[in-house]
Amino acid sequence: AQTVTQSQPEMSVQEAETVTLSCTYDTSESDYYLFWYKQPPSRQMILVIRQEAYKQQNATENRFSVNFQKAAKSFSLKISDSQLGDAAMYFCAYRSTGNQFYFGTGTSLTVIP
Amino acid sequence: DTEVTQTPKHLVMGMTNKKSLKCEQHMGHRAMYWYKQKAKKPPELMFVYSYEKLSINESVPSRFSPECPNSSLLNLHLHALQPEDSALYLCASSPSARQGFYGYTFGSGTRLTVV
Repeated sequence: AQTVTQSQPEMSVQEAETVTLSCTYDTSESDYYLFWYKQPPSRQMILVIRQEAYKQQNATENRFSVNFQKAAKSFSLKISDSQLGDAAMYFCAYRSTGNQFYFGTGTSLTVIP
Repeated sequence: DTEVTQTPKHLVMGMTNKKSLKCEQHMGHRAMYWYKQKAKKPPELMFVYSYEKLSINESVPSRFSPECPNSSLLNLHLHALQPEDSALYLCASSPSARQGFYGYTFGSGTRLTVV
C-alpha cells in the first residue's frame, strides 16, 4: 500500500508570512494524483490544491502553491501571506486511478497574529 | 448544490441503542464514502459505495451497517457500539470511485459519543 508521510506534526507562522508544509509519499505507480486538504475546527475537510503526477508544472491556487518533485516523491505546500483563517489541520493525500485516498498524518498549522 | 450534508451534527448514544447517521449529496456523484476520524488523526476509510453498490468494506465490525438507498443518500446504521467507537464520522462523495483525478467533497461530519 502507498504511504504518505508528513514529518511536521505542528507548524506556526506569523500572519502575512510564508510557511511550507512538507509531504513525502512512497509509490511504485507512475500515474497518480496528490492533494492537500484543510480541516479547520469546523471539521469539514476542504480541498486546497491538487496536482496531477504527469504534469511537471506546479499547481497554484491563489495564495497556495505546491512544490512537486516527482523523482524525490515530495509534495510540499506553500502558503503565502498567511491569514488567521488558514489555521487548521492540513492533510496531504495520494490517490491513484481506481483507488482510494491515502492520507498523511496531518500538520496542525497555527497562525500567530 | 455543491455540498455533502450530514445529519445529525452531534450524537450521544448508549451502548444498547440503535441510531443512524445520514449523508446526502445532490451533485450527481456516483461514489460515496464513510470515514472514521479520531482526534488529530487522519480519516480512516470504512466503506465505499460505487453506483449504489458496496465496493469496499475495510474490515469494519458488523455493529456498523452501511446502506445506500439511492444515488444521493448514504446511511450508516449503528448498533451495540463501544465507547472506543466515539469519533467524528465523515461522509464524502466523488464523481467516480475509479478515476483518481477527482478529489472528494466532504461533509462536516457527525461527532459521535458512545456512553
